[in-house]
Amino acid sequence: QKEVEQDPGPLSVPEGAIVSLNCTYSNSAFQYFMWYRQYSRKGPELLMYTYSSGNKEDGRFTAQVDKSSKYISLFIRDSQPSDSATYLCAMRGNEKLTFGTGTRLTIIP
Amino acid sequence: DTAVSQTPKYLVTQMGNDKSIKCEQNLGHDTMYWYKQDSKKFLKIMFSYNNKELIINETVPNRFSPKSPDKAHLNLHINSLELGDSAVYFCASSQDFQNQPQHFGDGTRLSIL
Repeated sequence: QKEVEQDPGPLSVPEGAIVSLNCTYSNSAFQYFMWYRQYSRKGPELLMYTYSSGNKEDGRFTAQVDKSSKYISLFIRDSQPSDSATYLCAMRGNEKLTFGTGTRLTIIP
Repeated sequence: DTAVSQTPKYLVTQMGNDKSIKCEQNLGHDTMYWYKQDSKKFLKIMFSYNNKELIINETVPNRFSPKSPDKAHLNLHINSLELGDSAVYFCASSQDFQNQPQHFGDGTRLSIL
């Protein structure tokens, strides 16, 4: 079993829809949780960084962490074509950062 | 100003050759990393240096040798390139190794013929 599981998609939604992206994990030592966005032929770009369980909001993006269920989510409100990218969850305890496999998202105008 | 920059962006070479990829960060960070991203987009850490000292060395063939001349630079040298080395290699940096998020370069696309 992988330490971090992420649905690879692809996921296509119409512009303006709410998008929900999810990851589950098995390592209880993970304490720090991140979401990265990766455009084609670019490096991963940090979107959200959270430590505790609960919600963190930044503009149209909301990151949610449920440590008891070992489950994290990223919500995108009012999705735009420019949100089309691969979204990678990442998490760590005291050592290396472990990534999910990424979800490819397409927003249809 | 590019925060984490890698050169070259593209590298096409023959099997058996030796090649190097360079990385520089201008963020003043202490820690730098090399990752490999395969064709399925899975990103896996290879090495990490903190203040020029190796702190993470995953199970990577010893044909791969990182070198950190100073804390702003982390280069990756690969000997005797094999077909399976074809991938995108990303450099990243973070303020320190403990809790800070990592910032990535745009990758070096390595293709082995």
